[in-house]
Amino acid sequence: SAVISQKPSRDICQRGTSLTIQCQVDSQVTMMFWYRQQPGQSLTLIATANQGSEATYESGFVIDKFPISRPNLTFSTLTVSNMSPEDSSIYLCSVPWNTEAFFGQGTRLTVV
Amino acid sequence: EDKVVQSPLSLVVHEGDTVTLNCSYEVTNFRSLLWYKQEKKAPTFLFMLTSSGIEKKSGRLSSILDKKELFSILNITATQTGDSAVYLCAVRNTGNQFYFGTGTSLTVIP
Repeated sequence: SAVISQKPSRDICQRGTSLTIQCQVDSQVTMMFWYRQQPGQSLTLIATANQGSEATYESGFVIDKFPISRPNLTFSTLTVSNMSPEDSSIYLCSVPWNTEAFFGQGTRLTVV
Repeated sequence: EDKVVQSPLSLVVHEGDTVTLNCSYEVTNFRSLLWYKQEKKAPTFLFMLTSSGIEKKSGRLSSILDKKELFSILNITATQTGDSAVYLCAVRNTGNQFYFGTGTSLTVIP
């Protein structure tokens, strides 16, 4: 199995600021997914991060708002920029591994 | 458009009841269907299904896939309060994309 360490676990941020979320995987993986889960909703894919190339963003998500870094095969960051209360969500990183997907512990973000 | 639909959206039962959660999908290039349990933040893996008609079982939980009718069910027998969670269904395609349903929120009352 793959073990993913995600941090911070939670944060309360002022609107207009930015937060960077980190995910560290204990194995090398090609693909890493970043999801958002708004209150009472399911997981929505923000982008797919591949090492050595630009992240691929889903409809409704843009690089200026959610810049992603993927410097190597074990690490990625997602930044939530210029935050507003609507960005309050759980953010999850995930990697496909063998037959399933493993998730980081999640970051609960509250924007005030 | 690829999509995964779960029903019901929420369910409240008493301890000892049996529940059936449903998942239907329309995903091109299907590879597998997965069930997850989400209690706090991170979903935890329950089952992975690839073949029709073969039941996967783990304790009081079981699941089966129908690839002809494009759905899966997750059964939980003799429910306990610890089963209270959101249950997510996801379909993985051959391109390693995962499509998640909206989830079913299960509450088990003592």
